Amino acid sequence: EPEVTQTPSHQVTQMGQEVILHCVPISNHLYFYWYRQILGQKVEFLVSFYNNEISEKSEIFDDQFSVERPDGSNFTLKIRSTKLEDSAMYFCASVRDNKFSTDTQYFGPGTRLTVL
Amino acid sequence: RKEVEQDPGPFNVPEGATVAFNCTYSNSASQSFFWYRQDCRKEPKLLMSVYSSGNEDGRFTAQLNRASQYISLLIRDSKLSDSATYLCVVESNSGYALNFGKGTSLLVTP
Repeated sequence: EPEVTQTPSHQVTQMGQEVILHCVPISNHLYFYWYRQILGQKVEFLVSFYNNEISEKSEIFDDQFSVERPDGSNFTLKIRSTKLEDSAMYFCASVRDNKFSTDTQYFGPGTRLTVL
Repeated sequence: RKEVEQDPGPFNVPEGATVAFNCTYSNSASQSFFWYRQDCRKEPKLLMSVYSSGNEDGRFTAQLNRASQYISLLIRDSKLSDSATYLCVVESNSGYALNFGKGTSLLVTP
């Protein structure tokens, strides 16, 4: 079964450093997402991406965040200057076609980001 | 008011028991509803979509009450492997984002 992959599985960084989290969505999927989950809290939407542009973003997704699809397979989340409160699990997700509301968002295994 | 609210539990039940989880959502315009399952420190995985007519998948039954903005999940004949956190999920107005509840923790004991 096709799956979303994410690397690295765990990233440790110093406050103020830039990090890039990597995702490879399922190959025939057209819509891509980033979510985050702070330990003990709910999964929160960050951003959705379609046709090489952001289609929706949440309040969390401020100027410190950016997303990119640099080639036909990768989808990245960049945090420019990490803060302690950015420590969380970051999940990438993809869906084949958003026209059909029952289409499933498939989640990757996540990248645990620890900011020291 | 939180967009998606769930009883956090934990629910501790013996194997073979029937357990029900409830969820309420605030956006009456929401169109799509789901139950996801999340194991400790893992990604959410779709358990089932929830339809107005109600739907069943083996031991799992989901119901939606649009008038009350209420979603439920019933698990019959609980197995040890059902132990997990169950996430109530509602699609946003835009149709892009998923809004997650905080989850209800289930522990099935021998």
